[in-house]
Amino acid sequence: DAGVTQTPRHEVAEKGQTIILKCEPVSGHNDLFWYRQTKIQGLELLSYFRSKSLMEDGGAFKDRFKAEMLNSSFSTLKIQPTEPKDSAVYLCASSLEQGAVFFGKGTRLTVV
Amino acid sequence: TQTVSQSDAHVTVFEGDSVELRCNYSYGGSIYLSWYIQHHGHGLQFLLKYYSGNPVVQGVNGFEAEFSKSDSSFHLRKASVHWSDSAVYFCAVREYSNYQLIWGSGTKLIIKP
Repeated sequence: DAGVTQTPRHEVAEKGQTIILKCEPVSGHNDLFWYRQTKIQGLELLSYFRSKSLMEDGGAFKDRFKAEMLNSSFSTLKIQPTEPKDSAVYLCASSLEQGAVFFGKGTRLTVV
Repeated sequence: TQTVSQSDAHVTVFEGDSVELRCNYSYGGSIYLSWYIQHHGHGLQFLLKYYSGNPVVQGVNGFEAEFSKSDSSFHLRKASVHWSDSAVYFCAVREYSNYQLIWGSGTKLIIKP
């Protein structure tokens, strides 16, 4: 029973680099979320897709963060260019409408 | 504005004790409430949810939560905690009508031996 799969688990980037994080949601789920998690800010919503349509693009994160969902089984989050303040854990999650939300194990990003 | 409040940043109990983790929300529409657990270094895992019916809902690993409309609360309880319950617990509210999912700030449960 495959849950949400995120790759890579760890990423180290130099300031200014472009990085792409990947997510495979639970098969059949039509909602997909990208979150950033830090100890100070907690969970911050970056993007939300419903049936592959972008419903929420994260407001303050719009300028350097771009999430895409080219098909129902794969999503990417691109950060371009990276900055040290982007160091955090990035979580992908999926759900059926109104259902329980299933999270991946996350990608820990360190920007140096 | 919808809010979810978890007033306790940390709760410390001894193994075998009972515990209650508090969650209060402010929202007037149709919602459902849920609890999630996050062990260190992992993503969040679903514990339980409530949307109607019996206000006491059972979850995994002996957890239960009780919905109270009058108190705008959805507190999580466990009768006897185990060391493996050490984690951060998040309360969340989701509207029926749209996608909005509002998260509490989390409560770290610390279990002393």
